[in-house]
Amino acid sequence: GQQVMQIPQYQHVQEGEDFTTYCNSSTTLSNIQWYKQRPGGHPVFLIQLVKSGEVKKQKRLTFQFGEAKKNSSLHITATQTTDVGTYFCAGRGAGNNRKLIWGLGTSLAVNP
Amino acid sequence: GEEVAQTPKHLVRGEGQKAKLYCAPIKGHSYVFWYQQVLKNEFKFLISFQNENVFDETGMPKERFSAKCLPNSPCSLEIQATKLEDSAVYFCASSLRETQYFGPGTRLLVL
Repeated sequence: GQQVMQIPQYQHVQEGEDFTTYCNSSTTLSNIQWYKQRPGGHPVFLIQLVKSGEVKKQKRLTFQFGEAKKNSSLHITATQTTDVGTYFCAGRGAGNNRKLIWGLGTSLAVNP
Repeated sequence: GEEVAQTPKHLVRGEGQKAKLYCAPIKGHSYVFWYQQVLKNEFKFLISFQNENVFDETGMPKERFSAKCLPNSPCSLEIQATKLEDSAVYFCASSLRETQYFGPGTRLLVL
């Protein structure tokens, strides 16, 4: 079945360092979404990427969708303590099924 | 409403007891999703609805889990005869199109 692998599982950085999480799908995706879940909270939608090679920025966050629409990355520049949480990617297959295939998430810890 | 509401926030059940969780989707959203999240972060998809119809139930352990979304009522997820491994946070999400909006979750503890 379709799988979305996400790495790394955990990342511990010093405040000010950069952070990147990667997602790889076993099949071509129609789109990929990114969510952030703060500790004890619920996932909150960050962004959706649809086009091959698409790059979107939100302040210090840069999201990329691969040319083959099978991989994606989220890069945070100069992390802050407010970036702490788990970042999930969720890919939607190319069919009509609205089920998202979730990655296992990358938990980010930031040392002040 | 403008937010997904889930009740109760916490639920404690003895092994073998029934648990029932509720979700009120955002008004106007036609899709509802249920997920189970255990300690290791993994989101396990359980079931989705398009209005009151089951859209995808491939994640549901059908022996003990059931779910409904009836008109003019909150959606519900029911677990008959809970087991220890059912302890998790159960999230409900609703969507109009692509973006899923999550509720705060119900934390179920089975003792």
